[in-house]
Amino acid sequence: QSALTQPASVSGSPGQSITISCTGTSSDVGGYNYVSWYQQHPGKAPKLIIYEVSYRPSGVSNRFSGSKSGNAASLTISGLQADDEAAYYCSSYTSSNILFGGGTKLTVL
Amino acid sequence: QLQLQESGPGLVKPSETLSLTCTVSGGSISSSNYYWGWVRQPPGEGLEWIGSIHYSGSVDYTPSLRSRVTISVDTSKNQFSLKVSSVPLAHTAVYYCARQSPCIIGSCYFDYWGQGSLVTVSS
Repeated sequence: QSALTQPASVSGSPGQSITISCTGTSSDVGGYNYVSWYQQHPGKAPKLIIYEVSYRPSGVSNRFSGSKSGNAASLTISGLQADDEAAYYCSSYTSSNILFGGGTKLTVL
Repeated sequence: QLQLQESGPGLVKPSETLSLTCTVSGGSISSSNYYWGWVRQPPGEGLEWIGSIHYSGSVDYTPSLRSRVTISVDTSKNQFSLKVSSVPLAHTAVYYCARQSPCIIGSCYFDYWGQGSLVTVSS
C-alpha cells in the first residue's frame, strides 16, 4: 500500500492556527478510527500527540487537535509557538498493516 | 517511566543480516496486551512500520518486508529483536523500537519510543 498523503510543508506565524491534512482511502483513514499523529523534532524520536483521530495523550497541549472526514484526517495546531516547528506524521491502520504519511514540515515564521 | 533502548551494529554490509535488540525498562514486556514494534526512517525521509510482536509470540509484519524480516521476543530479558536478511543499500536508516497499542481493539498507535539507532548499509 502507498503512504498516506500529506503536504510537504506548511507555515504560520506565532499565535496563528494551522491545519495539516492527511489523505488516504476507504481502506485506511476512511475505514477505521485508528488515525494517530506524531511530532518529530530534528534528531529526535517521534512523539505521539493524537491517537484514535482526536484523543490527546496525557501531557500533550490542548493546542493540538485532530479530526476526520471521510478518507481525510486533519491535525490543527492553534496558538502556534516556536517549539511547534517540527515534522508531523499521520498514521493509520489498514488490514494488518500500519501506514504513515510522508510527513509535513511545519515552519513557524 | 517506561524506557526503550535500541542496540546493535551501526554498520552492515550489503546482502548480510541486520540485527537489532530493544531493551525495555521501567515495565514488563509481558505485563499487558501491548505489542512491541519496529519503525525505520531513512535519512531525510518519512517513517515506515516494519512489524510488531506480542509477548505471546503473535507477530505482524508490513507486507513489503515480510519475506526478509523476523521479529522475536525474549521475556526473560525484557527484550525484543529485529532481523532483516539480505539488506540492500536502501535499508540504511534510523531504526526505532516502540510500544504499540493493539490494533485489534481499536487503538493502533505508538506511545513510547526508543531514541533510535542509525544502521548504515555499506561495503
